[in-house]
Amino acid sequence: DQQVKQNSPSLSVQEGRISILNCDYTNSMFDYFLWYKKYPAEGPTFLISISSIKDKNEDGRFTVFLNKSAKHLSLHIVPSQPGDSAVYFCAARKVTSGTYKYIFGTGTRLKVLA
Amino acid sequence: DVKVTQSSRYLVKRTGEKVFLECVQDMDHENMFWYRQDPGLGLRLIYFSYDVKMKEKGDIPEGYSVSREKKERFSLILESASTNQTSMYLCASSLSRREKETQYFGPGTRLLVL
Repeated sequence: DQQVKQNSPSLSVQEGRISILNCDYTNSMFDYFLWYKKYPAEGPTFLISISSIKDKNEDGRFTVFLNKSAKHLSLHIVPSQPGDSAVYFCAARKVTSGTYKYIFGTGTRLKVLA
Repeated sequence: DVKVTQSSRYLVKRTGEKVFLECVQDMDHENMFWYRQDPGLGLRLIYFSYDVKMKEKGDIPEGYSVSREKKERFSLILESASTNQTSMYLCASSLSRREKETQYFGPGTRLLVL
């Protein structure tokens, strides 16, 4: 039962254009959503997050949009740069056993072409 | 900066061996997590701990156990390694503050079980 889904395993974008990475979830109890970026042979690093009470959060070139009614979030990267090439994971948080548990998607590999 | 370290980057073990994966964080985080990452499956939670000597099963705990004797250290134990436990293992830690909680990941341990 995949509660967090990233249906696009890969995405290629030209440098300078917008990258849009998508994520769908099924559990309405998730209260917080995060995006992580992962380079090969490294652990994931936190990129940006959004609370379930908001619909948009922006940090520099990165914006995350949340559509609660559709149970969908997206990450926009504008403008895309070659250094953005990595695997991106979305994650959703829920309370369990008095603490937080994170459910990750399967990841989308972004390739930004110079 | 938060630092999460893992004892080995690469490990090769034989079927049936007992395997210890160590994780240490230096930021006094309450929560610690063990994930495995497999192609097409994303990050799956094995176990997590929200306090010393406390542990909770994640989504795929079978074949694994954990130990948290000190706040900064969280160990993953494969009691009898099997080939299907060949994977990338990622440790993470986080604070327990409600707002803007993020996880910080170690670099990962790539385990090969022969």
